[in-house]
Amino acid sequence: GAGVSQSPRYKVAKRGQDVALRCDPISGHVSLFWYQQALGQGPEFLTYFQNEAQLDKSGLPSDRFFAERPEGSVSTLKIQRTQQEDSAVYLCASSLVSTGGIGNSPLHFGNGTRLTVT
Amino acid sequence: AQSVTQLDSQVPVFEEAPVELRCNYSSSVSVYLFWYVQYPNQGLQLLLKYLSGSTLVKGINGFEAEFNKSQTSFHLRKPSVHISDTAEYFCAVAPTGFQKLVFGTGTRLLVSP
Repeated sequence: GAGVSQSPRYKVAKRGQDVALRCDPISGHVSLFWYQQALGQGPEFLTYFQNEAQLDKSGLPSDRFFAERPEGSVSTLKIQRTQQEDSAVYLCASSLVSTGGIGNSPLHFGNGTRLTVT
Repeated sequence: AQSVTQLDSQVPVFEEAPVELRCNYSSSVSVYLFWYVQYPNQGLQLLLKYLSGSTLVKGINGFEAEFNKSQTSFHLRKPSVHISDTAEYFCAVAPTGFQKLVFGTGTRLLVSP
C-alpha cells in the first residue's frame, strides 16, 4: 500500500499564526513518531505515539507544540503562535509494532512538511 | 543519553571511487545502529542496520558498514559510488528495546563525474 503521507508539503506562516501538520501513517502501523529537522541538521525527536496514547513527548520544544492521534491512525502536530525558530522540516514516521524496540520493526518516514515562518 | 557524531559535513568524491562516511557514537547502554539516506525533498530511507551478530552489515545499493564496539564507530562504506548516490547520509542510534532514534548531523555525499 501507500507509504507515510504528510500534508501539506510546504507551509508558509506569518509569525504568530497557528499551524497544523497532518500525518497519515501506513495502515495498521501502531507506532508513530514526529521529528523536527532544522536546516543542515539531523532530525530531532519530538514525540511518540503507540496507537492513540502519547507515550513520550519529551522532545516537544515548548508548550506551543501539541500533537494528537485521537483514533490511533492519523496524527496532527499543531504549533501555536509560530516563531521564526520553528522553521524546519517536520518528519513523521510509523512502524508496525511497538514491542521489542526499533530493531524489530523499521521506521517508515514520510517526505515531511517544510514549514517556513516569516 | 546517546549522541552521534558525524565529523564530515561534506564528502566530495569522483564516480566509481570508493567512499567511507564516518560515524562515532556515545552511549551508556547498548544500542542499535542505523544508516539512513535522504534525497532532496524526501524523507529518510533505511540503508542498513546493526542489531547484533556479525559486525559487518550489508545494506541496499551496495553499501556496507562495520560496527566497532571498542572504537564506538559505525562507518559506512561503498567500494564504487555512482552519481545517483549523491544525497545526505545520517547515522543514528537507538537504545535496544526502545524506538527513539538519535541522529547525527549528517554527511552530504557529492559524487561528480
